[in-house]
Amino acid sequence: EAQVTQNPRYLITVTGKKLTVTCSQNMNHEYMSWYRQDPGLGLRQIYYSMNVEVTDKGDVPEGYKVSRKEKRNFPLILESPSPNQTSLYFCASSSRTADQPQHFGDGTRLSIL
Amino acid sequence: KNEVEQSPQNLTAQEGEFITINCSYSVGISALHWLQQHPGGGIVSLFMLSSGKKKHGRLIATINIQEKHSSLHITASHPRDSAVYICAVRSMGTSGSRLTFGEGTQLTVNP
Repeated sequence: EAQVTQNPRYLITVTGKKLTVTCSQNMNHEYMSWYRQDPGLGLRQIYYSMNVEVTDKGDVPEGYKVSRKEKRNFPLILESPSPNQTSLYFCASSSRTADQPQHFGDGTRLSIL
Repeated sequence: KNEVEQSPQNLTAQEGEFITINCSYSVGISALHWLQQHPGGGIVSLFMLSSGKKKHGRLIATINIQEKHSSLHITASHPRDSAVYICAVRSMGTSGSRLTFGEGTQLTVNP
């Protein structure tokens, strides 16, 4: 089954404790992206990747890192999480660029205390 | 002013009604997406448009590039259509491949 898998689905952690949210797709897609969703602000793009070893900033990249060492995986890294990064996070992929239909993961609800 | 504006923010309808959700944007775009977010939180892509009109079942999406406007129509609405509908655009003339989103329209269809 074609899917985008995020882990974990839920995480409660404390300020400053490094964490990684994993994202994996099985559709051989070139384009992958991370978004955060906050009440009143909607979805905002954090980082995206057009292919292996190619990443670029979205609208809200501060406090986040990403890597794309393999085509299928695109982890989101919070080196020193802070409470303002409490949010609902989505990973998505598409075949080539943001001009193709996006396939979303189920979301990760992250709480930073 | 946001690059992408949706209206209305909230919409309540009776089952069977024809529904229209609007999306206006202020920049040149290469593509516009309509997404549906279920009450459980999952997001599904409904349409990707660069011109004209697309139809899938009871859903119709149109775009007018000159007027920088798109509409999502739902015919014969049903309670299972209750969800948040989100418009997103990929801007032209920018490097890379960013997406910018509207805030969403909360649709409730009552039986």
